[in-house]
Amino acid sequence: EIVLTQSPDFQSVTPREKVTITCRASQSIGNGLHWYQQIPDQSPKLLIKYASQSFSGVPSRFSGSGSGTDFTLTINGLEAEDAATYYCHQSSSLPYTFGQGTKLEIK
Amino acid sequence: QVQLVQSGADVKKPGASVKVSCKVSGYTLSELYMHWVRQAPGKGLEWMGGFDREDGERIYAQKFQGRVTMIEDTPTDTAYMELRRLTSEDSAVYYCATGRYETSAYEYFEYWGQGTLVTVSS
Repeated sequence: EIVLTQSPDFQSVTPREKVTITCRASQSIGNGLHWYQQIPDQSPKLLIKYASQSFSGVPSRFSGSGSGTDFTLTINGLEAEDAATYYCHQSSSLPYTFGQGTKLEIK
Repeated sequence: QVQLVQSGADVKKPGASVKVSCKVSGYTLSELYMHWVRQAPGKGLEWMGGFDREDGERIYAQKFQGRVTMIEDTPTDTAYMELRRLTSEDSAVYYCATGRYETSAYEYFEYWGQGTLVTVSS
């Protein structure tokens, strides 16, 4: 099973700040890495697919990069509505796995 | 656009079974690769299983094998997930989610249901 490790687990940030969340895979997964946003009491929503491709309708301040084992989700110019938990997800091999999540708090 | 509407919250006793439904609209179920993901209170996301396009079969996470069944009723465009021999550790929100492939061999979860809270308590 591929283990995904996110960092940090929690971050308190101010609006307009740049945020970087990393996701490291225990073995190479190519570009089979996706990012989701989960606002409290809501279902997860897809942000980034295949490591760097923005999903339709996602604000341009969200971007992703990386391949192999190291991946990054960047939020340029954080907004209050971005308070959420962010998860990476690998579909390179079964069983599919998720990172443990990174909770963003807006100061 | 796909919409997934799940059944309502449920309370079960330990040892019982639960069956969660996921009604598809906007597409037919046969066009979709359905997966199930759960989330225990205050915890992260856990993939339970789904349709494996390569094998054309459903595949379950080893943790749930023998205890879970996922079926699809194409005439009603409704997917079901049944989990048996429940314990308190199965208390969670259960989500259905559709897998999507593009040119890559990898799929992502494009649409999600609203979630169904299952509480296991004596």
